Amino acid sequence: QLQLRQSGPGRVRPSETLSLTCSPSGFSVTTGNYYWTWVRQSPGKGLEWIGHISHTGSTNYNPSLKSRVSLFVDTSKNQLSLRLTSVTAADTAIYYCARDSGLGGAWFDPWGQGALVTVS
Amino acid sequence: DIQMTQSPPSLSASLGDRVTVTCRASQSIDTFVNWYQQRPGEAPKLLIYLSSRLQSGVPSRFSGGGSGTDFTLTITNLQPEDFATYYCQQSYMTPYMFGRGTNLEIK
Repeated sequence: QLQLRQSGPGRVRPSETLSLTCSPSGFSVTTGNYYWTWVRQSPGKGLEWIGHISHTGSTNYNPSLKSRVSLFVDTSKNQLSLRLTSVTAADTAIYYCARDSGLGGAWFDPWGQGALVTVS
Repeated sequence: DIQMTQSPPSLSASLGDRVTVTCRASQSIDTFVNWYQQRPGEAPKLLIYLSSRLQSGVPSRFSGGGSGTDFTLTITNLQPEDFATYYCQQSYMTPYMFGRGTNLEIK
């Protein structure tokens, strides 16, 4: 059964770069035509889609974050990662990774446990 | 961006009740709507995809419907574990957008 395990720093200082990883277990990132999506959740903005990446590295980002966010897939490690530069307090949120059914529907299942990131 | 307006923001109901949550898209999106349940301290969980398709393992008391701009999530025979927050999400085009959520509380 697919599970997504997330890890991250917990706290990042303003103007620095946030890095998070997501490791699927029981499933290879290269299997099928799935994408891998990142979503964040903050009290003020609710659920916000950050972007997604295919196992070939094809990406699509939310324009609201496009200039600062990068998504990566490492097929040798079976791992996904997110990098967000120049963070501010507005980037404080719980960050989730999820398997994305891909083009033609884009439903997200399952989700990782989430990683709380505080910018201060 | 396609905005999703979800209502009501909160809802009180009793065990065994039937409730309906609605989402309206800012433009027609065919049937590209998904619904999620989120309990406190947990990640969202997929309930319904493509407007009306029940995700595997989700109880049949959950159902979804709609097309174009108006969509509904209905829960019948409310159980204690159903009291949570529900979100709709459009998957017609990026950036994928979520509704603001409906908090279902016990009356």
